[in-house]
Amino acid sequence: DGGITQSPKYLFRKEGQNVTLSCEQNLNHDAMYWYRQDPGQGLRLIYYSQIVNDFQKGDIAEGYSVSREKKESFPLTVTSAQKNPTAFYLCASSRQGGYNEQFFGPGTRLTVL
Amino acid sequence: RKEVEQDPGPFNVPEGATVAFNCTYSNSASQSFFWYRQDCRKEPKLLMSVYSSGNEDGRFTAQLNRASQYISLLIRDSKLSDSATYLCVVTAYNTNAGKSTFGDGTTLTVKP
Repeated sequence: DGGITQSPKYLFRKEGQNVTLSCEQNLNHDAMYWYRQDPGQGLRLIYYSQIVNDFQKGDIAEGYSVSREKKESFPLTVTSAQKNPTAFYLCASSRQGGYNEQFFGPGTRLTVL
Repeated sequence: RKEVEQDPGPFNVPEGATVAFNCTYSNSASQSFFWYRQDCRKEPKLLMSVYSSGNEDGRFTAQLNRASQYISLLIRDSKLSDSATYLCVVTAYNTNAGKSTFGDGTTLTVKP
């Protein structure tokens, strides 16, 4: 079955530690995205990538980093510079162009203690 | 002012009711529009795209009004299973080929 996987589902980390969230897709989509969602709020774009080896900052990129070495994979690192990292992180992908519908993975809930 | 605005609700309706949500957007260059459904603590799932001519999928009807810059979602004959948060998504083209903006969502609760 084609789809997007994110791991882990739940992640707990101590303050000051970097943590990397995994996102893999087998939909053959060129574009991939990372969003953050806080309770009762909408999705905010962290980073997006339209093609391998290229990515752009979204609205709230500070304290995050990404890489896009393979078409299928778009890992997100939450660094210690992110002031309030506890949130629900969602990865999505779409056909190239950005104006196509996005399909989401199941998300990772990150809690920083 | 937010780029995409939705009435947060909550909308509490009885089974069988008809309910409508609106979503306004500020960027007149917006080109693509979608409605997503998000269940509690789950990922958003595409409900339907919104076309200029309007489109219908069973009990759901979506419409676009470019002049007034809003999209709408109409749900007829509400079911208990329709209880969820509904997100509207607007995409405007830029040099990087599109960036989507999500509304904060409208919460619907359908009661027996």
